[in-house]
Amino acid sequence: ETGVTQTPRHLVMGMTNKKSLKCEQHLGHNAMYWYKQSAKKPLELMFVYNFKEQTENNSVPSRFSPECPNSSHLFLHLHTLQPEDSALYLCASSPSRLGAYEQYFGPGTRLTVT
Amino acid sequence: DQQVKQNSPSLSVQEGRISILNCDYTNSMFDYFLWYKKYPAEGPTFLISISSIKDKNEDGRFTVFLNKSAKHLSLHIVPSQPGDSAVYFCAASDMEYGNKLVFGAGTILRVKS
Repeated sequence: ETGVTQTPRHLVMGMTNKKSLKCEQHLGHNAMYWYKQSAKKPLELMFVYNFKEQTENNSVPSRFSPECPNSSHLFLHLHTLQPEDSALYLCASSPSRLGAYEQYFGPGTRLTVT
Repeated sequence: DQQVKQNSPSLSVQEGRISILNCDYTNSMFDYFLWYKKYPAEGPTFLISISSIKDKNEDGRFTVFLNKSAKHLSLHIVPSQPGDSAVYFCAASDMEYGNKLVFGAGTILRVKS
């Protein structure tokens, strides 16, 4: 148990569906991240939020829409996805201070787009 | 262009022997390096890290070595145990990146009993 939870753990959706992934951290951190992990590839950073403000969008297609209502919660809204978007989506958190490199990950949501 | 590379997709080791996982990087500005371990159906968990001002950091059975001139780091696990079987990710960062990490693709370690 890392203090970061993600729901749902598994999601199957059609290309015309709209769904949301949820992440919650209980560590008192102020930075939160979304990563995408495809098979045999490095974790790809998608978005970074510091103190609820988005500070990084790593050229992510607009069909992925993040939301960070407070420092403890992070959402990833999904709409009109493509089959190649099927992957493991990981949320992480960390302290927001300079030099605090360790990130704490949730268990991930396994997304399948049909 | 991958800045952090783990060139061995998998490694198989006998229980009790040493496991050595390797990682190479290209960005000379990286000043902090981490290893994460990931079991199936779980997220990566932090294992050990090293700052660029050191060349070795040890924590129990795990030791990370950093060779800055070669832009290479390695993780040694001694003795290896079946419970160490997992995917190991190398990650790097620097002050310019703030709190962002750049990850390698991972190495699958299998420890046979």
